[in-house]
Amino acid sequence: DIQLTQSPSSLSANVGDTVTITCRSSQHIITYLNWYQHKSGKGPNVLIYGASNLASGVPSRFRGSGYEQDFSLIIDNVQPEDSATYYCQQSFDFPPVTFGQGTRLQIK
Amino acid sequence: DVKLVESGGGSVQPGESLKLSCTSSDFKLQNSWMYWFRQSPTKGLVWVSRMNPDGDRIEYADSLRGRFTTFRDDAENILYLQMDSLTVDDSALYYCGKEVSQKYSAGYYSYIDSWGQGTPVTVSS
Repeated sequence: DIQLTQSPSSLSANVGDTVTITCRSSQHIITYLNWYQHKSGKGPNVLIYGASNLASGVPSRFRGSGYEQDFSLIIDNVQPEDSATYYCQQSFDFPPVTFGQGTRLQIK
Repeated sequence: DVKLVESGGGSVQPGESLKLSCTSSDFKLQNSWMYWFRQSPTKGLVWVSRMNPDGDRIEYADSLRGRFTTFRDDAENILYLQMDSLTVDDSALYYCGKEVSQKYSAGYYSYIDSWGQGTPVTVSS
């Protein structure tokens, strides 16, 4: 099974900051990596698919990059509504569908 | 956006069963791969099972195979998750999700583009 390791597990940022969350895969997955935002009380929402493609309706301050094993989600000009838990997910080889353990972002 | 609605969650004792439902009023579930996930504070977001559009291929997380069963009623447009022999570790918020595939030069990217709001399951003695 492909394991995904996210870091950090939590972080705090000020409005306007740039935030980077990383996701490392245990195997090479080319660019088959998705990012989701999960707010309490709602289902998760896809932000990025295929490592760097912005999903429909997602603000352009969200960016994704990476290849094979190392991936990043970058949020430019962080806003209060970005407070959430973020997950990476691999779509290279399943079952099983696997996620990172999540990164909790708090906006000060 | 497709709206998915889960129901059937509740509080049960260890060893009991629950059947969760997922439905949509604006999308035929048989037209996509459909998924079940669960989320808990200690384990994060975890995949439970998925079913193909034809309904003849169902995959489960290894740890859940044998206790959880996914099936679908196409006439009623409902996806089910039958959960048996529940343990405290099964306590979570359960979501259904719809997969979409985006074509690119070398193939397809797949991701979950629609999720329900979740239904809570609490297993406690």
